[in-house]
Amino acid sequence: EIVLTQSPATLSLSPGERATLSCRASQSVSSYLAWYQQKPGQAPRLLIYDASNRATGIPARFSGSGSGTDFTLTISSLEPEDFAVYYCQQRINWLFTFGPGTKVDFK
Amino acid sequence: QVQLQESGPGLVKPSQTLSLTCTVSGGSISSGSYYWSWIRQPAGKGLEWIGRVYTSGSTNYNPSLKSRVTISVDTSKNQFSLKLSSVTAADTAVYYCARQGYWFDSWGQGTLVTVSS
Repeated sequence: EIVLTQSPATLSLSPGERATLSCRASQSVSSYLAWYQQKPGQAPRLLIYDASNRATGIPARFSGSGSGTDFTLTISSLEPEDFAVYYCQQRINWLFTFGPGTKVDFK
Repeated sequence: QVQLQESGPGLVKPSQTLSLTCTVSGGSISSGSYYWSWIRQPAGKGLEWIGRVYTSGSTNYNPSLKSRVTISVDTSKNQFSLKLSSVTAADTAVYYCARQGYWFDSWGQGTLVTVSS
C-alpha cells in the first residue's frame, strides 16, 4: 500500500495570502495524484488531477505541481471560501489511498 | 450532470451487516468507462476507499476490508450497493458513493452510519 503524508497538518492564513500544501508518497506514483477540497458537512470535491490539471470549474488560483513522490498544491491568493481541508489521493494502482489532509484555517 | 445519492439504515447493531445503496441520476450507470466506488470517513478523520464495481460486475476491494465487503451493481435500477458484514464500532463513519473515471469526480452527499447496540 502506498502511504501519502501531508504537511503541514494545519495551515493558518489570512484571505489574500498564498497557501502551499505538500503531499509526499511512500513510493513513486508518477503523476497519478489528485487533490480534493472538503468543507464541513460536504463531500470532497475534485480540484486537481494528474498532479497539475484543474478539474472542470476550478478557479485558476488553484494549481498543482510535482511528480514521483513529492507534490504541491498552491492557492495563489486565498478567498474566504477556500478555508477547508485538502486531501491528496493516488491511483498508481487500484488500491487507492488518500493522505490525512491539511486544514487551511483562518489566522 | 450526474448525481449520486446514498440511502440505507443510519444505525446498525454490532456483528450485523451494513447495507447501503447508491442511486445514480442524470445519466446511465452503464454509460462511459466509469467505476462506481464506496469511500468512508470516520468523524474527524480522513478518507478510506472501500472498493469499486464496474458495470460488468467486476470488483476491486481494499484488502483491509476485503473479507467483509461486497459491492454489486444493478444497471436496471441505475444503482450500486455496499454490504459490510460483521460490523463493529470502528465501522461508524460517513459513507460516500462516488463515480470514478480515473479520479473520483462525482460524489454523493454522504450518509452517516452508526454501529451501536
